[in-house]
Amino acid sequence: AQKVTQAQTEISVVEKEDVTLDCVYETRDTTYYLFWYKQPPSGELVFLIRRNSFDEQNEISGRYSWNFQKSTSSFNFTITASQVVDSAVYFCALKDSSYKLIFGSGTRLLVRP
Amino acid sequence: NAGVTQTPKFQVLKTGQSMTLQCAQDMNHEYMSWYRQDPGMGLRLIHYSVGAGITDQGEVPNGYNVSRSTTEDFPLRLLSAAPSQTSVYFCASSWTSGGALPYFGPGTRLTVL
Repeated sequence: AQKVTQAQTEISVVEKEDVTLDCVYETRDTTYYLFWYKQPPSGELVFLIRRNSFDEQNEISGRYSWNFQKSTSSFNFTITASQVVDSAVYFCALKDSSYKLIFGSGTRLLVRP
Repeated sequence: NAGVTQTPKFQVLKTGQSMTLQCAQDMNHEYMSWYRQDPGMGLRLIHYSVGAGITDQGEVPNGYNVSRSTTEDFPLRLLSAAPSQTSVYFCASSWTSGGALPYFGPGTRLTVL
């Protein structure tokens, strides 16, 4: 069965600090996809990244980076030099052969000025 | 393209009332799904459909009905609303191919008194 665990319920940092959001997943499939979404206070879901299970290369996009490790079933998300605008709830999600997209419970990030 | 649209944006019901949350997409996506979002629980899958005439249950289907008579529309029906159904509801659509990116609607905030 699919499962996504985001153990960090809430994280508070001061602006310019680096912060890592953890995501651990479970699936029996060898082919699967992992996603990160951001939900700002306005409530919409904003897509950040998609990764497939065959591509373990880490990705960097501006201040955002993602570390995918199949050996530990983790897909962690790091924000470098955090900004107040990064304050949001961040969701990790997993999609395998069942087509269903299963979400973790989310991590609320508060960046204080 | 309007993408995924949901109506209404907000709704207040009394216990026992029925209503239908509307979801429509104009991208010809085969896959559509409904999620509910409750504080601290992330998004949980209610029902999904892989094509017109085909629906199936997700993680939390009780109290909800769906049908898919067209590719474009996937309404969610609450037959007898309960306070436990107070939540934010998101509709999503995508192609059925494995890593297809889900597109989310803006959400419907439902309160059941």
